[in-house]
Amino acid sequence: GENVEQHPSTLSVQEGDSAVIKCTYSDSASNYFPWYKQELGKRPQLIIDIRSNVGEKKDQRIAVTLNKTAKHFSLHITETQPEDSAVYFCAASSFSNDYKLSFGAGTTVTVRA
Amino acid sequence: DVKVTQSSRYLVKRTGEKVFLECVQDMDHENMFWYRQDPGLGLRLIYFSYDVKMKEKGDIPEGYSVSREKKERFSLILESASTNQTSMYLCASSLPGTAAYEQYFGPGTRLTVT
Repeated sequence: GENVEQHPSTLSVQEGDSAVIKCTYSDSASNYFPWYKQELGKRPQLIIDIRSNVGEKKDQRIAVTLNKTAKHFSLHITETQPEDSAVYFCAASSFSNDYKLSFGAGTTVTVRA
Repeated sequence: DVKVTQSSRYLVKRTGEKVFLECVQDMDHENMFWYRQDPGLGLRLIYFSYDVKMKEKGDIPEGYSVSREKKERFSLILESASTNQTSMYLCASSLPGTAAYEQYFGPGTRLTVT
């Protein structure tokens, strides 16, 4: 099955700086890569996703890049703000895997004021 | 707005008890999932269902079973709770096909087995 590894496990950044989280996956058939954000005590929510036919996608201060050859994808948050503090999960999925999501272990991001 | 609700936010049970965790979604989603979330391990899939009466094992089904008698309701059952099942349990739902990729999560049930 799919194996998703996520790094780093914790990340502390100064407000206004950028944050980058990286994930690698093992199944070359994976073609959908979402990122979920989970604030303390709340449910995970989808913040951005990318499909395998696209190399980069941006939504305001967040962007995701995908390198299919190397089987890795990354989340970039620019101009970080205190409300960006949360746990972020990457995931991978494919139709050949019944669309199941395989999640990374999560990255706890802390934005210091 | 998609709403996924879970029967309890916090639950304390004793070793050996039978435990029912219920999940209800109101968006007519075909797909439903149960995950457990543990620090440093992310979200791990226990069971999933793509239709009423249908169920499939996920990555860690041992010690769990599920029931889906109605489209909107997906129950997770711990037949005989053990301390290693102390965890946060998250339910999710999604549409079928390629739309299945986006999953909507419930608020979670924090289960403690003593």
